[in-house]
Amino acid sequence: GAVVSQHPSWVICKSGTSVKIECRSLDFQATTMFWYRQFPKQSLMLMATSNEGSKATYEQGVEKDKFLINHASLTLSTLTVTSAHPEDSSFYICSASAGTSVYNEQFFGPGTRLTVL
Amino acid sequence: AQKVTQAQTEISVVEKEDVTLDCVYETRDTTYYLFWYKQPPSGELVFLIRRNSFDEQNEISGRYSWNFQKSTSSFNFTITASQVVDSAVYFCALSELKGNTPLVFGKGTRLSVIA
Repeated sequence: GAVVSQHPSWVICKSGTSVKIECRSLDFQATTMFWYRQFPKQSLMLMATSNEGSKATYEQGVEKDKFLINHASLTLSTLTVTSAHPEDSSFYICSASAGTSVYNEQFFGPGTRLTVL
Repeated sequence: AQKVTQAQTEISVVEKEDVTLDCVYETRDTTYYLFWYKQPPSGELVFLIRRNSFDEQNEISGRYSWNFQKSTSSFNFTITASQVVDSAVYFCALSELKGNTPLVFGKGTRLSVIA
């Protein structure tokens, strides 16, 4: 299957700082990327949907001013956690899809573990 | 709205036992995809299967098998002759039958296989 990478794999930061997480589709063009969040021992919850060249669509309860998503190219989407706080500590996973066709699969990145002290 | 229910939070089995992980889903869509993923302690999701709603045939892949029953909205996953390496959290998920829609995940079942 296609490969999606995330960088960094893990990050530890101080409360109040901003953290940027990158999601890249390495061997295909991703028209749509999704960002999920997974708290310890919980399920994956969709945070936002990002289409290349347009503003992201956020799920209810996700603060768009806190979680900034940029999908500037067909191979890169970034999630910036602004003014991070300990409650933002979580596992962030992106996925990427090449298009709307029923044959297009969605591929997940390996995840980024964020710890805010 | 779509919903996936994995009623089993945790399961422990002894190595070589068979184990079935249950998944029940709800959707108003007449066409959809169903998935199973494995999440080992590293956190990375490992894709196991994608099944579209048109195909109700059961599938077998090595020690893994899946039973899709549309009549009961279930998509159960069986591991035969379990091994310690099967220990992980397993997620069942659902999406629309399109390439660019997000997945709705169940809460997951933590499987522990004891040697």
